[in-house]
Amino acid sequence: NAGVMQNPRHLVRRRGQEARLRCSPMKGHSHVYWYRQLPEEGLKFMVYLQKENIIDESGMPKERFSAEFPKEGPSILRIQQVVRGDSAAYFCASSPALYQETQYFGPGTRLLVL
Amino acid sequence: QQQVKQSPQSLIVQKGGISIINCAYENTAFDYFPWYQQFPGKGPALLIAIRPDVSEKKEGRFTISFNKSAKQFSLHIMDSQPGDSATYFCAARLTSGSRLTFGEGTQLTVNP
Repeated sequence: NAGVMQNPRHLVRRRGQEARLRCSPMKGHSHVYWYRQLPEEGLKFMVYLQKENIIDESGMPKERFSAEFPKEGPSILRIQQVVRGDSAAYFCASSPALYQETQYFGPGTRLLVL
Repeated sequence: QQQVKQSPQSLIVQKGGISIINCAYENTAFDYFPWYQQFPGKGPALLIAIRPDVSEKKEGRFTISFNKSAKQFSLHIMDSQPGDSATYFCAARLTSGSRLTFGEGTQLTVNP
């Protein structure tokens, strides 16, 4: 049973470019969460999605960031016009159902903005 | 009120010793408290979790102690091993939601 998969594992972008981060949840999981980890800090919640629905996006920056989880395919976290402050590790977690306690994390995508 | 405060920031323990990491919270609506272990370059992995209706939970060498009145909980690692060297995060989840609120993390080093 494969775990949560994220790609790419490392992503380098120049300021102003777009970053697309992909997350495939564990088999049978329909709930996806995105967290961001800045260097030497804890994980901060960004967004919680179900298939084709955004449930909670209260942790998402108001501009440049968007997320989706289509009916088919992985969840995508999209960052437009990246800035150096976006450099961080972005983790995706999945769970099988609403209010399911255990969230299983992927290996993360390390984004570096030059 | 959404914060979870974690201490110490870093901890060095000798092999065989006990590692203790503490967390405190304000929001009494938190109802689930997991601990995650993270190795460099990896994602967090669930270690052990507790609900506030119990005061202690033990799994192998790992124990969570929970003090509901003080709004504090701690992770104890007995017989610490060099392989336990990692960053540990406490977290909390609201009754009404699904997001996890994480502490700042504790970098544990177990010397051989």
